[in-house]
Amino acid sequence: GQQVMQIPQYQHVQEGEDFTTYCNSSTTLSNIQWYKQRPGGHPVFLIQLVKSGEVKKQKRLTFQFGEAKKNSSLHITATQTTDVGTYFCAVSGGGADGLTFGKGTHLIIQP
Amino acid sequence: NAGVMQNPRHLVRRRGQEARLRCSPMKGHSHVYWYRQLPEEGLKFMVYLQKENIIDESGMPKERFSAEFPKEGPSILRIQQVVRGDSAAYFCASSPRTRTDTQYFGPGTRLTVL
Repeated sequence: GQQVMQIPQYQHVQEGEDFTTYCNSSTTLSNIQWYKQRPGGHPVFLIQLVKSGEVKKQKRLTFQFGEAKKNSSLHITATQTTDVGTYFCAVSGGGADGLTFGKGTHLIIQP
Repeated sequence: NAGVMQNPRHLVRRRGQEARLRCSPMKGHSHVYWYRQLPEEGLKFMVYLQKENIIDESGMPKERFSAEFPKEGPSILRIQQVVRGDSAAYFCASSPRTRTDTQYFGPGTRLTVL
């Protein structure tokens, strides 16, 4: 089935520093979605990328989809304490009808 | 505009008991998905249902687990004879039309098996 590798697993940053998480696949993806899960919470949809080379921005968050549609990244500029949580990439297809999630990157912010 | 609802939010069972988890999708959504999340892990797809039909249960353990989405009422994930390894957060998600639509997640049910 579809698999996605997400790195790093944990990222400690000082408040105000930037943060990036990466998602990689060995196969070409039809689309990729990003979710955020706060501690004790549930996944909340952030964005879906569909086109090769696509870049989308949401305030301090920048999402990129690679030209070959095999990788994606989420970059947060000037992190704030409200950014704390786990960021997951997820892909559809590959046999199962549900989403296949990466293991997530836990963002820990030190004040 | 109610989102996806799940109940109970927390469920404690002893080994060998049954657990029933309920999910009401967002209004207008006819596609329901169940995922399991172990501590510090990502979400694992279990089953995809439409009204009265199981479309894909490739992620569901073959024994003790079952799911349904009846014509009336919520979707139910049922775990029989629970074991400690079943302790996890179980999330339900719904989408309006197809599996490639954005999925909206409920708050989850945290199952603890003693």
